[in-house]
Amino acid sequence: AQSVAQPEDQVNVAEGNPLTVKCTYSVSGNPYLFWYVQYPNRGLQFLLKYITGDNLVKGSYGFEAEFNKSQTSFHLKKPSALVSDSALYFCAVREGGGFKTIFGAGTRLFVKA
Amino acid sequence: NAGVTQTPKFQVLKTGQSMTLQCAQDMNHEYMSWYRQDPGMGLRLIHYSVGAGITDQGEVPNGYNVSRSTTEDFPLRLLSAAPSQTSVYFCASSQTTGTSGLETQYFGPGTRLLVL
Repeated sequence: AQSVAQPEDQVNVAEGNPLTVKCTYSVSGNPYLFWYVQYPNRGLQFLLKYITGDNLVKGSYGFEAEFNKSQTSFHLKKPSALVSDSALYFCAVREGGGFKTIFGAGTRLFVKA
Repeated sequence: NAGVTQTPKFQVLKTGQSMTLQCAQDMNHEYMSWYRQDPGMGLRLIHYSVGAGITDQGEVPNGYNVSRSTTEDFPLRLLSAAPSQTSVYFCASSQTTGTSGLETQYFGPGTRLLVL
């Protein structure tokens, strides 16, 4: 069965500092991995995805994520955080060729000015 | 394109009442799904559909019914609401591909449901 773990409920970072939001996953086949962001009272917005190819994936708003197969991780990163990045971030996984996308519990990112 | 739309935005029900949450998309996506979002639990998949006339269960299907008579619409029915169904419900749609299953999912704005 697929599963996703986001070990941190909240991440606090100062504006201008690099940020990392952690995600580990478990699937039986090839993983398709996603990051979504949710702003207050809004639906989820797609940030980036890993299907195949380069382990470093670049996405929207300056975010990137690194796929590490040996560690089964897909951490979200940004070199310089903005206050406007403060939101709820979800990691999701789908087994390649399948239709069920499983989401993590979410990590709240708080960027302080 | 309106994308994915959901109605109503907010609903209060009494225990035992029934209702239908509406979801529509105008992107001609084959795949549609329903999630519920609860604090500390992320999004959990309720039901999904890979095309008109085809539906399947997700992680938490009990207490919910779905049907898919058209590509555009994917309503979620609560036959007898319970307080445990108080949640925020999101509908999503995606294009499907031959080998990789799904492309990126697009989410609606959500329906906030309170069951008293």
